[in-house]
Amino acid sequence: GENVEQHPSTLSVQEGDSAVIKCTYSDSASNYFPWYKQELGKRPQLIIDIRSNVGEKKDQRIAVTLNKTAKHFSLHITETQPEDSAVYFCAASSGNTPLVFGKGTRLSVIA
Amino acid sequence: GAVVSQHPSRVICKSGTSVKIECRSLDFQATTMFWYRQFPKQSLMLMATSNEGSKATYEQGVEKDKFLINHASLTLSTLTVTSAHPEDSSFYICSARVWGSETQYFGPGTRLLVL
Repeated sequence: GENVEQHPSTLSVQEGDSAVIKCTYSDSASNYFPWYKQELGKRPQLIIDIRSNVGEKKDQRIAVTLNKTAKHFSLHITETQPEDSAVYFCAASSGNTPLVFGKGTRLSVIA
Repeated sequence: GAVVSQHPSRVICKSGTSVKIECRSLDFQATTMFWYRQFPKQSLMLMATSNEGSKATYEQGVEKDKFLINHASLTLSTLTVTSAHPEDSSFYICSARVWGSETQYFGPGTRLLVL
């Protein structure tokens, strides 16, 4: 089955700097890659997703890139703000299969 | 749109009792619902996949007789933790997906504490 690795597990950045979180996946059949943000005690919120027919997608300060050949995808957050502090999870799935999540990255944005 | 609710939000029960958690899609019909368990500072671990009108598919290591799942309608799935023990204490989160779409929408979670 699918296996998703996520790095780093923790990340601290100064406010205004960029943050990058990387994930790799094992199943070449995976074609859907969402990113979720989870604040303490809350539900995971979808922040951006990308499908395998696209190499990059951007939504304001958030962007995701996908390299299907290397089986890795990354989340980029620019101009970070304290409210970006949370745990971020990457995930992968193919067709109707369930999402398989990475272990998460705890992002701290220091004001 | 795409709102998923869960009830209760938190529950405390005695060891040996059963607890039922409801997951509802409020504004869409969910052909598939998923149940996850999340321990503190850990990732979401899939427990089972629930398709409306059919038996749930459980992940390896998840006891189907302990975690009973029922998906009786396109908007409701329930998870019953039977004979709960302290080690079952966790954050249980459901998610729902529309047929033909990959996007999963998560409920707010249920925090279970078994004393």
